[in-house]
Amino acid sequence: KAGVTQTPRYLIKTRGQQVTLSCSPISGHRSVSWYQQTPGQGLQFLFEYFSETQRNKGNFPGRFSGRQFSNSRSEMNVSTLELGDSALYLCASSFLAGSTGELFFGEGSRLTVL
Amino acid sequence: DQQVKQNSPSLSVQEGRISILNCDYTNSMFDYFLWYKKYPAEGPTFLISISSIKDKNEDGRFTVFLNKSAKHLSLHIVPSQPGDSAVYFCAASGAGGATNKLIFGTGTLLAVQP
Repeated sequence: KAGVTQTPRYLIKTRGQQVTLSCSPISGHRSVSWYQQTPGQGLQFLFEYFSETQRNKGNFPGRFSGRQFSNSRSEMNVSTLELGDSALYLCASSFLAGSTGELFFGEGSRLTVL
Repeated sequence: DQQVKQNSPSLSVQEGRISILNCDYTNSMFDYFLWYKKYPAEGPTFLISISSIKDKNEDGRFTVFLNKSAKHLSLHIVPSQPGDSAVYFCAASGAGGATNKLIFGTGTLLAVQP
């Protein structure tokens, strides 16, 4: 069974640009969550999607957005990039929403903003 | 406001000895607690969890203890092995209803010395 796939794995952008990250969940999983990992901050919840609906959103500015498609694949977008957006962006999937919290994570997309 | 705290950024243990990783939380509404392990350049992987109605859960070398009155949980690894060297994240869920939103601590880097 293939795991969670995130693309691209690494990318470099400059301030003011926008970026789109993609996540393909494990086959059959309908819930996709996104997290931002920065040094000293741990993993911060961005948003959660289930059956194409955003169920929950973290405390991030409106520059961060996401969506989920009918095949459960998800994308997140960050517009008007700032230096502080440099981070590892992790996608996680699970079969259900509101399960016991066991999520399956991808390897992440490492974003560097110059 | 950090609802889940891991106050030890790092821990070094000799192979074969016990590793104890600690985690504190502030929100009494959390109903599930989890530990994830993360190697460099990989996504976090689920290790073990515990429901708030229990005070101990054991899985092989890994045991998680929950002290609700102190809002404290700990992960015990016995015996520790060099392959256990990784960053360990404590996480909590359930305070917001049916959601896969996890609140993570900032992580503890465990180094198991051969």
